Amino acid sequence: DSGVTQTPKHLITATGQRVTLRCSPRSGDLSVYWYQQSLDQGLQFLIQYYNGEERAKGNILERFSAQQFPDLHSELNLSSLELGDSALYFCASRTNRGANTGELFFGEGSRLTVL
Amino acid sequence: GENVEQHPSTLSVQEGDSAVIKCTYSDSASNYFPWYKQELGKGPQLIIDIRSNVGEKKDQRIAVTLNKTAKHFSLHITETQPEDSAVYFCAARPGGTSYGKLTFGQGTILTVHP
Repeated sequence: DSGVTQTPKHLITATGQRVTLRCSPRSGDLSVYWYQQSLDQGLQFLIQYYNGEERAKGNILERFSAQQFPDLHSELNLSSLELGDSALYFCASRTNRGANTGELFFGEGSRLTVL
Repeated sequence: GENVEQHPSTLSVQEGDSAVIKCTYSDSASNYFPWYKQELGKGPQLIIDIRSNVGEKKDQRIAVTLNKTAKHFSLHITETQPEDSAVYFCAARPGGTSYGKLTFGQGTILTVHP
């Protein structure tokens, strides 16, 4: 158990709809990262938040947005869904303390299926 | 941006054999290279990492080597066991970016036969 919790584990929805994925980082971790894993694109970095503020962006679509709340949980919002958005969405958190500050702790992912 | 190529895409070995997975990266400014293991239904888990000021790092049966000149790094697993069967990903962090902003390779499916 990585200590990172993601909900829901599975989600099936239709094209054009909007969904929200939720992530609770490990206790005390201030940084949250979102990654998308698909068969054709592999694992791709989407966005990072640190203590409530956006810190880095990857190839995140304009239809996607995220935020991190004061209690440090994060949500990834996906709107106007397309078939190609079907993927596993991972949240990861990272400690900013200590020597080993590189390790990402991944949740078990939210599998999104768009029909 | 950074591009990471990983080979082979699948690797099948007998228990007790060694397994080697190789990655190349394109951005010479990249300075952090982790390896993650992903088991079925789970998220990736860090197994070993190396920074650009080190050429080799070992942790029990797992070792990673880095050749900065060739922009190449490799994962070596010795005395493989069936529980080593999983998908392995290499990654690189471009210099000047957050530690968690990684570019991943496409993954290697490792199967260890008893």
